[in-house]
This record gives sequence, structure tokens and C-alpha cells, in this order.
Amino acid sequence: QVQLQESGPGLVKPSETLSLTCTVSGASISSYYWSWIRQPPGKGLEWVGYIYYSGNTNYNPSLKSRVTMSVDTSKNQFSLKLSSVTAADTAVYYCARDKWFGELLYFDYWGQGTLVTVSS
Amino acid sequence: DIQLTQSPSFLSASVGDRVTITCRASQGISSYLAWYQQKPGKAPKLLIYAASTLQSGVPSRFSGSGSGTEFTLTISSLQPEDFATYYCQQLNSDSPRVTFGGGTKVEIK
Repeated sequence: QVQLQESGPGLVKPSETLSLTCTVSGASISSYYWSWIRQPPGKGLEWVGYIYYSGNTNYNPSLKSRVTMSVDTSKNQFSLKLSSVTAADTAVYYCARDKWFGELLYFDYWGQGTLVTVSS
Repeated sequence: DIQLTQSPSFLSASVGDRVTITCRASQGISSYLAWYQQKPGKAPKLLIYAASTLQSGVPSRFSGSGSGTEFTLTISSLQPEDFATYYCQQLNSDSPRVTFGGGTKVEIK
């Protein structure tokens, strides 16, 4: 049974860096692509980016200048760093497992989500 | 970038009703579309991928159809546990960038 669990600070100060980790169980992190997706309170879903175990990444162009993703295969984890945060980055952050069907990337397993609030 | 427009954004229905949600893409995306269900306080759940393929474990009352620019998600007989928000999603392979529709909230009439 595949499970994903996000962890990290729930409160980040403006201009600082948001850091989250997703721990994967029931699947090898080396076998899939992995994504971060966020959802501001009361709003829709926004894809942040994906990473492959090799280090290949693809980020949402609207966030690209501030996002860094990494993988730790020894711990079966992947991580997100978002720099220079503002209140607009306040959201529930989800990690998810990616699947491919032709040119479609979709998400078949999700973490429960973690709320990150940006506030001084 | 390819935009996804869902309609309606809000839907009020009764248990047993047949419900249809539409997702329109600003450019043709073949059958490269997925649908998700999200309940309050929970992560989204994959229902359908490749426009019409039911994810394992999803009840057969859910179905998807369409290709190109117009897609539909149909719930054949709405159940109490189906009241939720539904999202469509695609990957723009040119960018590449994942985009979601704005969501359709299904509420009890």
C-alpha cells in the first residue's frame, strides 16, 4: 500500500524559505516521478513541480525562480524548497506520485496535505 | 498555455440524480485528461485518467468521456458520499506544465 506523508514547519515568515519533505512508503522513489501540488485556502489546485530520482525536474513556470526540489533515495524521500515566500504562498501543500499515460501526467497517490501559513 | 474550463462551477443535485460535469480545453489534448474528487479537508482522489479509464477501486457509477477539447465526467446515480468538488487536469507537453480546471462543487439539493 503506497503512502505519502508530508512534513515540515506549519508557519514560515515572509521572505524566508518554505521547506517540506515527503516520505514515501510502499513504493520505491526510484521508480516514479513525484510532484508537489498546493491549494490556497478555499481555492483550487496548483501544480508546483515534479522530480525524478535522477534529479530531472520540471517546475511550474510561475514559481520556477523560487522552487527547488530534491530526492533522497536512501530515505525514500523527496523535498520542496520555496524561497522568498509571501502571504500568497499560504496553502495546503500535497505531495503526490506521478503516473504517465502517453503525454498525460496524472497523480494516483497523494499525501494528506500540510498547511503552511506565511505570516510574521 | 492550455487552459481548462469546467462547467458548471457549482451544481445542486439530489441523491439518485444523474450528474454531468464538463471540462473544456483551450486546445486539443487528445485523451490526455484526468478527473479527481476532493472532499473537504482531504486530498484529491484520482477517479479517471486518459479521459475514460476508471482508476482501480472507483465505483462504476463514475464514467468519463470525450477527446480533443471537450470532456465530461458523469455520475450515473449520485450517492451521499459523492458530494464533493471535482477537478479535471491535463499536462501541456509543450511547456511542460500541469494545469487543473477551476473545480465543480456538487452539493445536496
